[in-house]
Amino acid sequence: TQLLEQSPQFLSIQEGENLTVYCNSSSVFSSLQWYRQEPGEGPVLLVTVVTGGEVKKLKRLTFQFGDARKDSSLHITAAQPGDTGLYLCAGAEGPGGTSYGKLTFGQGTILTVHP
Amino acid sequence: DVKVTQSSRYLVKRTGEKVFLECVQDMDHENMFWYRQDPGLGLRLIYFSYDVKMKEKGDIPEGYSVSREKKERFSLILESASTNQTSMYLCASSFWASSRYNEQFFGPGTRLTVL
Repeated sequence: TQLLEQSPQFLSIQEGENLTVYCNSSSVFSSLQWYRQEPGEGPVLLVTVVTGGEVKKLKRLTFQFGDARKDSSLHITAAQPGDTGLYLCAGAEGPGGTSYGKLTFGQGTILTVHP
Repeated sequence: DVKVTQSSRYLVKRTGEKVFLECVQDMDHENMFWYRQDPGLGLRLIYFSYDVKMKEKGDIPEGYSVSREKKERFSLILESASTNQTSMYLCASSFWASSRYNEQFFGPGTRLTVL
């Protein structure tokens, strides 16, 4: 069974600060996704990383996939109150894997950015 | 844009009642999923369907069943609701062809309370 350990579980920061969320596993994933979920809504896909070492940027958000495709990080620069929400990482297994077609989710990071 | 809709945002049922949660997607996705989301436990897969009339158990199928009679519709059934099934239920869909990446699109969720 694949597991994704996400940390920290909670993050409470002031507007303008930087932060990093980590997602780690002992398993190799063919791709890794990051979702953001606002209270009372479903998760919304932010980005998918597929190549080891890949870095993707989405405005103030930077996503990185580890060289071995076992871990990923999300870095937010100059956080704003609008970034508040639950951030989820999720890994997909490649063809032939027992979980092919499904996602393994991390536990999530609840981010609160105070004005 | 992909749209995944769920029949109810909020639902209150009594113990022992049969409960139907409906999910419809409009993007001709092959895969459809039902998850439940609980604080501290993340998203847990209940059932997965990769084609009409095809289903596969997820991590926590006990107490639930599903039905997929049409490609766009995936129903979750609680045969006899119990209080420990009080939760947020999320439906998602994705293309089978992109299963390597498995980018899932979520509905807004149904918050079910069983009294």
